[in-house]
Amino acid sequence: DAMVIQNPRYQVTQFGKPVTLSCSQTLNHNVMYWYQQKSSQAPKLLFHYYDKDFNNEADTPDNFQSRRPNTSFCFLDIRSPGLGDAAMYLCATSRDRASGYEQYFGPGTRLTVT
Amino acid sequence: DQQVKQNSPSLSVQEGRISILNCDYTNSMFDYFLWYKKYPAEGPTFLISISSIKDKNEDGRFTVFLNKSAKHLSLHIVPSQPGDSAVYFCAAKDYGGSQGNLIFGKGTKLSVKP
Repeated sequence: DAMVIQNPRYQVTQFGKPVTLSCSQTLNHNVMYWYQQKSSQAPKLLFHYYDKDFNNEADTPDNFQSRRPNTSFCFLDIRSPGLGDAAMYLCATSRDRASGYEQYFGPGTRLTVT
Repeated sequence: DQQVKQNSPSLSVQEGRISILNCDYTNSMFDYFLWYKKYPAEGPTFLISISSIKDKNEDGRFTVFLNKSAKHLSLHIVPSQPGDSAVYFCAAKDYGGSQGNLIFGKGTKLSVKP
């Protein structure tokens, strides 16, 4: 089955220690998104790639970076995690950005910062 | 400020009855609306969508109604089943203004009791 895969499902990192979260897709979609979701909150878009074009949300902290080396993979790098960065991180894909194209989500990576 | 609001954090319904989940939005430029369902430890799964040019879309037991003048949409599940117990997220898209990014509500946790 075509799908969106996130590794690892659970990640524990230390305060200030860089961490990378991984997302891969077999859907061959053009767009890949990274969302942050804190407990009882709405998923919040951090940034997205439209093909190789990177689009950062205005309020995404500089601490968060992303890489998309090819169509299938996208990475979320947190350079110096703080306690406030503990959250579920969701990766999603869509065939295009236009209305009418829904997003497909991975299962998420739950990040704990100690 | 929240552009998509789901004012009921939770809803409990008896099996076989109708579940009605509500969502309000503030941005009149939103032109596409989606409902996602999320089980624990899984990513959100697309459920049903509606374009702003329609006022109703139906898919099996699921129907979404859109009232543009009231900036309100609702998801009806008839009949409700215990397997429908999940968190339901309302999301909206404004292709023109935000490159097609989804704005999510905080979700409503539906419990369907046997």
